[in-house]
Amino acid sequence: AQTVTQSQPEMSVQEAETVTLSCTYDTSESDYYLFWYKQPPSRQMILVIRQEAYKQQNATENRFSVNFQKAAKSFSLKISDSQLGDAAMYFCAVGGNKLVFGAGTILRVKS
Amino acid sequence: GAVVSQHPSWVICKSGTSVKIECRSLDFQATTMFWYRQFPKQSLMLMATSNEGSKATYEQGVEKDKFLINHASLTLSTLTVTSAHPEDSSFYICSARAGGKSNQPQHFGDGTRLSIL
Repeated sequence: AQTVTQSQPEMSVQEAETVTLSCTYDTSESDYYLFWYKQPPSRQMILVIRQEAYKQQNATENRFSVNFQKAAKSFSLKISDSQLGDAAMYFCAVGGNKLVFGAGTILRVKS
Repeated sequence: GAVVSQHPSWVICKSGTSVKIECRSLDFQATTMFWYRQFPKQSLMLMATSNEGSKATYEQGVEKDKFLINHASLTLSTLTVTSAHPEDSSFYICSARAGGKSNQPQHFGDGTRLSIL
């Protein structure tokens, strides 16, 4: 069984600043993958970044980067130079063949 | 690339009717498609996994006779909510994954808001 925990129901960040969203997980699988998805008010799920658990190097995608700590089962998302368009619900997801999603973190960006 | 189209985006129907939701991968072949349900301000709950040409695998607690899933081709999966009742009202989202490898991300449709009166 897998569990994904996002302990921050809501976060706020000032435009152009940096924010980190936390995610911890538990899994019995040896081969699994981790993802961050963004869901704006339109409710479409948009892939932000992905990480393969067997890779030690943290994934980066432009202003988005992760801090993957496999031993601690932690997978946080850092958003640099926050923009108004980053405001959304962010879901952490972990899994092998199928994904388990966390409860989500609402990110608000202040201008 | 990796566009998934879901139709309809919003449907309102009377209690007792059946509703079909389509999920299409437009520019890739989806070996595996997933159906989720999302309640307001909550996370996605996986309902079932469907592989092309085979029966869907349902998650525990999901009634397979109520939520019929068909994955007849590599680009189309359908979810039919049979004899829908108000408690079936929800936001349903499909996703599609190219290839059989789990490291491939799931690409999501825009979702279907289902309201049963």
